[in-house]
Amino acid sequence: NAGVTQTPKFQVLKTGQSMTLQCAQDMNHEYMSWYRQDPGMGLRLIHYSVGAGITDQGEVPNGYNVSRSTTEDFPLRLLSAAPSQTSVYFCASRDRHQYGYTFGSGTRLTVV
Amino acid sequence: SQQGEEDPQALSIQEGENATMNCSYKTSINNLQWYRQNSGRGLVHLILIRSNEREKHSGRLRVTLDTSKKSSSLLITASRAADTASYFCLPNSGGSNYKLTFGKGTLLTVNP
Repeated sequence: NAGVTQTPKFQVLKTGQSMTLQCAQDMNHEYMSWYRQDPGMGLRLIHYSVGAGITDQGEVPNGYNVSRSTTEDFPLRLLSAAPSQTSVYFCASRDRHQYGYTFGSGTRLTVV
Repeated sequence: SQQGEEDPQALSIQEGENATMNCSYKTSINNLQWYRQNSGRGLVHLILIRSNEREKHSGRLRVTLDTSKKSSSLLITASRAADTASYFCLPNSGGSNYKLTFGKGTLLTVNP
């Protein structure tokens, strides 16, 4: 099993550009989440989804959009990148009957 | 949403020694999970302890839970250099609470 796959692993954007961070899982997990991790800040929840077609905001949703058209995929869109969005982004998923999350290996994003 | 607070922020020990880190939380929980994050990687689920359990073991890991004090501890025995990582606790109030946010973690350094 591949688990949770995030692409790309690294990305440099210019301020104002848009892009989509991809997240895919092959475990048929209902719950998926996006986190950002900044030095000294822990992991902060951006958006999450409890199933296909259902998404909701987390702690720091501004500047990000998500959609969940399939169980497998949960892309995160940056509409107009800002330097404050420079961070490491993690996608995570879990089965509705289990509590442990499976994390992807992260996307390191730099906005210049 | 609920966030755990790990203590200490950083811990440095010698290989072979035991490492203890603590987690405090604010409201009643259904379960509490511990995760490990090696540098530059995603989080890995280590162990889950339910609210009706006081102690749980997994290999060299021992987790305790004191619901009266709203705290948990993670003990790693006979530490190895490979245990060098950040450790996070995740208190879960259960129900429809999907907004789980991680704290800043404890950075454990095991010196060879």
